[in-house]
Amino acid sequence: SAVISQKPSRDICQRGTSLTIQCQVDSQVTMMFWYRQQPGQSLTLIATANQGSEATYESGFVIDKFPISRPNLTFSTLTVSNMSPEDSSIYLCSVEVEVHPEAFFGQGTRLTVV
Amino acid sequence: AQTVTQSQPEMSVQEAETVTLSCTYDTSENNYYLFWYKQPPSRQMILVIRQEAYKQQNATENRFSVNFQKAAKSFSLKISDSQLGDTAMYFCAFMILNYGGATNKLIFGTGTLLAVQP
Repeated sequence: SAVISQKPSRDICQRGTSLTIQCQVDSQVTMMFWYRQQPGQSLTLIATANQGSEATYESGFVIDKFPISRPNLTFSTLTVSNMSPEDSSIYLCSVEVEVHPEAFFGQGTRLTVV
Repeated sequence: AQTVTQSQPEMSVQEAETVTLSCTYDTSENNYYLFWYKQPPSRQMILVIRQEAYKQQNATENRFSVNFQKAAKSFSLKISDSQLGDTAMYFCAFMILNYGGATNKLIFGTGTLLAVQP
């Protein structure tokens, strides 16, 4: 299993600013994932972050808006840049344990942009 | 396209009763896993149960069991002896297994909000 610590748990931000969300895992993992969950919606994958390479973004998400860092095998950050109210969502970090394909999630960051 | 459909946006069940949540999916792949995740108000996504597509036997975890019909691409969740703590959003998801280093990403359904009534 994996225990994931995600910070901050919530934030209220002004439009036009940026917020960086941190994700710390208690063990080394190859792949880390960032999801967005808009109000009342399901989870949508933003990007996959592998250590030592650039993140791979899903359709509809771009690096300029959601830059991701992955400096080592236990840590990643997601930045939401130049925020607008449409970015108000829950952002979740996830890791995959490959022995039994299974995703573990952080507790999420509830972002409100005003 | 790979999709997951949950046709029940909301469901309600009395405490101690049994409820079944529906899920269908669409994929042309043969190697995949299916999952049910629970998301209570705390927002923490919790794995409820997992099913390997190559296994015919339905997975069971205590009060939770699935009815996996591979040909029909159906994966329903049965919760027996429902408890108040089962109140949550339930997401059905599947993961295509990509060997050789490609990403095993999860594709989620839209969720079913389950309310267990006392």
